[in-house]
Amino acid sequence: AQSVTQLGSHVSVSEGALVLLRCNYSSSVPPYLFWYVQYPNQGLQLLLKYTSAATLVKGINGFEAEFKKSETSFHLTKPSAHMSDAAEYFCAVRVNRDDKIIFGKGTRLHILP
Amino acid sequence: DAGVTQSPTHLIKTRGQQVTLRCSPKSGHDTVSWYQQALGQGPQFIFQYYEEEERQRGNFPDRFSGHQYPNYSSELNVNALLLGDSALYLCASSSRTGSSTDTQYFGPGTRLTVL
Repeated sequence: AQSVTQLGSHVSVSEGALVLLRCNYSSSVPPYLFWYVQYPNQGLQLLLKYTSAATLVKGINGFEAEFKKSETSFHLTKPSAHMSDAAEYFCAVRVNRDDKIIFGKGTRLHILP
Repeated sequence: DAGVTQSPTHLIKTRGQQVTLRCSPKSGHDTVSWYQQALGQGPQFIFQYYEEEERQRGNFPDRFSGHQYPNYSSELNVNALLLGDSALYLCASSSRTGSSTDTQYFGPGTRLTVL
């Protein structure tokens, strides 16, 4: 069965510092992997996705993620945090193209001034 | 181009009642998926509709049912509401025939409170 584990339910970084949100997945076949962001009282917005092309995926708002098969990881990074990055971030996995998405429990990112 | 829209935004019901939530997919999309997001949790898959049929279902009881119309819009119905059904219900649309069939776009959600 497929699953996603996000390490750390809360992460705090200073404005301008590196953002690193960790995600490990479990899948018996090559997965599709996603990062979504959710701002307060809003739906989910797709940040980026991995679909077996390049292992380093660039997304919106300066975020990127690297697929590492050997580590079954898909960590999200951003070189310099901005106050507007404060939100809930969800890592998700999908096995087949039209299959359901399985989400992690989320990591709330806090940006310190 | 309108994205995924959902109605209503908020809803308050009492235990035992029935509720219907509505979703209009993004233009050009033919598949609708529904998710339940409890407070402090990640979304959980309820079911997916394509060509007016339920194609996949998550681990939810039969109290949760749905429908898809010819114009691809969809409804989520929940019968005999329980306190534990209080959550944000998210609709996501995608296309099985388009070039980006692996991307689901989410609506803003309907916040259901059961008292």
